[in-house]
Amino acid sequence: DAKTTQPPSMDCAEGRAANLPCNHSTISGNEYVYWYRQIHSQGPQYIIHGLKNNETNEMASLIITEDRKSSTLILPHATLRDTAVYYCIVRVGTNAGKSTFGDGTTLTVKP
Amino acid sequence: DTAVSQTPKYLVTQMGNDKSIKCEQNLGHDTMYWYKQDSKKFLKIMFSYNNKELIINETVPNRFSPKSPDKAHLNLHINSLELGDSAVYFCASSPRGSSSYNEQFFGPGTRLTVL
Repeated sequence: DAKTTQPPSMDCAEGRAANLPCNHSTISGNEYVYWYRQIHSQGPQYIIHGLKNNETNEMASLIITEDRKSSTLILPHATLRDTAVYYCIVRVGTNAGKSTFGDGTTLTVKP
Repeated sequence: DTAVSQTPKYLVTQMGNDKSIKCEQNLGHDTMYWYKQDSKKFLKIMFSYNNKELIINETVPNRFSPKSPDKAHLNLHINSLELGDSAVYFCASSPRGSSSYNEQFFGPGTRLTVL
């Protein structure tokens, strides 16, 4: 699985959009980009995933660059409950679970 | 309703003991996993089972033995516990089929402390 690089921490004001970047320059053609988050003392929570096109669901939007070497997770209106560690992972769609979650980005949403 | 449940939530035990952690999912998923999260918060896959069949075993000591009595359950048994086994263990499950195969749902975790 391709390696990802994320900033260790970010702050965001409550109500504002939180934009979390991820670099995955060695991603291969059949690897998807997945985002999970882990709120303190809880299990990781799936957020969104995509292959090439931008994706949106009720939680977030995922913007993938045309060359697929980086992506951005967007939380459109961050709340205090969005404070968590956000993990960006790339892996083959059928290679279920065969990946390790890296360091992630600690997002702190401030009032 | 809890989708993926684990018991116990906390487990404190002495070195050398044998212990088990249980996991159950009521989502009808075919695939289940065990992850270990160490003190540095690094979350690493240990095992994956698909329909009771082991499909991933990631360089885990053979003191760790997963058991899947049916596709809704994946238990983790650990023999001869060592200090380095102290961590939070997460169970997860996912459905079959293309990219949705990887939409994993995680349990609340079991914090294991070996003294």
